[in-house]
This record gives sequence, C-alpha cells and structure tokens, in this order.
Amino acid sequence: GAVVSQHPSWVICKSGTSVKIECRSLDFQATTMFWYRQFPKQSLMLMATSNEGSKATYEQGVEKDKFLINHASLTLSTLTVTSAHPEDSSFYICSARDWERPGNTIYFGEGSWLTVV
Amino acid sequence: AQKITQTQPGMFVQEKEAVTLDCTYDTSDPSYGLFWYKQPSSGEMIFLIYQGSYDQQNATEGRYSLNFQKARKSANLVISASQLGDSAMYFCAMREDNQGGKLIFGQGTELSVKP
Repeated sequence: GAVVSQHPSWVICKSGTSVKIECRSLDFQATTMFWYRQFPKQSLMLMATSNEGSKATYEQGVEKDKFLINHASLTLSTLTVTSAHPEDSSFYICSARDWERPGNTIYFGEGSWLTVV
Repeated sequence: AQKITQTQPGMFVQEKEAVTLDCTYDTSDPSYGLFWYKQPSSGEMIFLIYQGSYDQQNATEGRYSLNFQKARKSANLVISASQLGDSAMYFCAMREDNQGGKLIFGQGTELSVKP
C-alpha cells in the first residue's frame, strides 16, 4: 500500500480561489518533504523543501507567497496554491525520505492534478 | 548547468528486445545516489532502481540494470526483454547527500514498446 499519500488526486478550482493539497507519510515520520511541479510532457521541477516545524526552503523562481507550504507535524505537509490562475494548472507531487532506511528509500505521493478554470 | 541530462526525448523498442536509456550527471559531491523512475500516464512515480556513488557493483532489479560508469558520470538504464507495459516516461534522478533527500530530475525519455 501507499507509504506516502497525497490528497486530492484531482481538483478543479475557479480562478482567484485557493486550493490546498495534502501530503502524508503513513508509516514513518518525515521531518522533510519535497514538493514538485510537473507540466505535461516535462520533467519534475522541485518547488520547495518542506521542513517540519520551520519555514520551507523554496527553489529559485518559486513564489513563496503564491505557494504556501506548511509542515506542522511529522507526517503531514500541505501545499496551498493561493489565488490560483490557469497557468498554475499542473501536476503537483510530493515526496519524502525515510531516514531510518537506506538512502534509496524515497517515497512519492500519488500526485495531484490541478486545473484552474 | 544541467545536473542530470537525458538526451533521448523518445525511444522506440521492439517487444522482447533490450533497450538502453541514457543518463549523465554532474556533481562535485562525492556522496550521491542515482535513481531511475518510471512514470505512466497516470502520473505515479514508480521506483525502478538505485545506485549509490560508493557501490562497487552495478545495480540490478529484475529486468532492470543500471550501467554505472562513475568516471564518465553516466548511469544508463538497461531494460531487458521489453514488454508492452514498459511504455512510459522514464526519469533519471540524482540525490546529492549534502542536499538532503531532494531529487533533481532529468528531462525524461518517453519509451514506446512496439508489438
């Protein structure tokens, strides 16, 4: 079964509204989670590193006020796309590393398809 | 500069044949890990194989093997006995150990398996 769960899988929202995507680690504590964005036929681009109990670290070019990340517990990180616009429509996917397992143990959520109309 | 480079946007292979997907990387961190993922149209990221920078032997996982050439900084994926279900996007990714658990992905290769 899924070790990292992401919700919702699909979301359609109106332009100007905000939408929240959740990423949960189910079997382990994730002090760090990662958020990626993927446009059709393109690669996964790292948006930010979500740190439990502290501010997220954003990659260059990612608007921190646009993409709010909260990591309030060891098993949950949320990404909120604020004042969404059609150009924010994309596939968003999170990942987490289980630090108590070998270095290749990085789990991905199922991903969330966001469509802004 | 690109840290992970996949130079093949698309590849075709005949069913039951082997195919090699290319990946080169660039890092100054002596400790790193290289991953290959398969992404079908559903979007899920399916882990295929991993190679650590200090691993002496090439990684293998069933029909997947990783041709790791450290001096050339390449980590090509070899899929043997291709199946129709192998048709998907394939991504090479690198984790630099001084950067935590984040992965940097290559551009991807779309593999199509012909019957």
